[in-house]
Amino acid sequence: KAGVTQTPRYLIKTRGQQVTLSCSPISGHRSVSWYQQTPGQGLQFLFEYFSETQRNKGNFPGRFSGRQFSNSRSEMNVSTLELGDSALYLCASRPGGATNTGELFFGEGSRLTVL
Amino acid sequence: QQPVQSPQAVILREGEDAVINCSSSKALYSVHWYRQKHGEAPVFLMILLKGGEQKGHEKISASFNEKKQQSSLYLTASQLSYSGTYFCGTKRTGGGADGLTFGKGTHLIIQP
Repeated sequence: KAGVTQTPRYLIKTRGQQVTLSCSPISGHRSVSWYQQTPGQGLQFLFEYFSETQRNKGNFPGRFSGRQFSNSRSEMNVSTLELGDSALYLCASRPGGATNTGELFFGEGSRLTVL
Repeated sequence: QQPVQSPQAVILREGEDAVINCSSSKALYSVHWYRQKHGEAPVFLMILLKGGEQKGHEKISASFNEKKQQSSLYLTASQLSYSGTYFCGTKRTGGGADGLTFGKGTHLIIQP
């Protein structure tokens, strides 16, 4: 079974630009979560989607947004990039629903550098 | 509120034991442990629910003290493959792993 796939793996943007990151969850998983990882703050929760609906949101500004498609694939978007947005963005999926065990399956992340 | 992990880093010889602690100032429903190797995705280790149940996985086990809102991860007879950064994630309500609040991590280095 293929794991969680994130694209692109690396990208460089400049301040003020916007970026879209993509995540394909494990087949059959309906829940997708996004986390920002930085050396100073560690892993911080951005948001979680289940069956195309945002169920939970972390404490990030409105520049950070996401969505989930009917095939469970998810995208997150960051607009008006700031230097502090440089981070590894991790996507995690889980089955959700009755089969949920709580275990998150993480992708290898998209490393964003903002210049 | 981000849980506090201790120690921040630890260096051990292969075969030694390690304990990593995770403390919260808020009442917790569950504690989740993950390990991340450099350049790789975090990998799930175990979940502990309130009630103090101790879970084990081979030579890695953990406990959850509900009164103290503290969880400890025990690595027995550490192996080189145990090296990595260990994160605890906490959840204050039930409903799965969405919205975990992670600690800043504990860097574990196992030397031969």
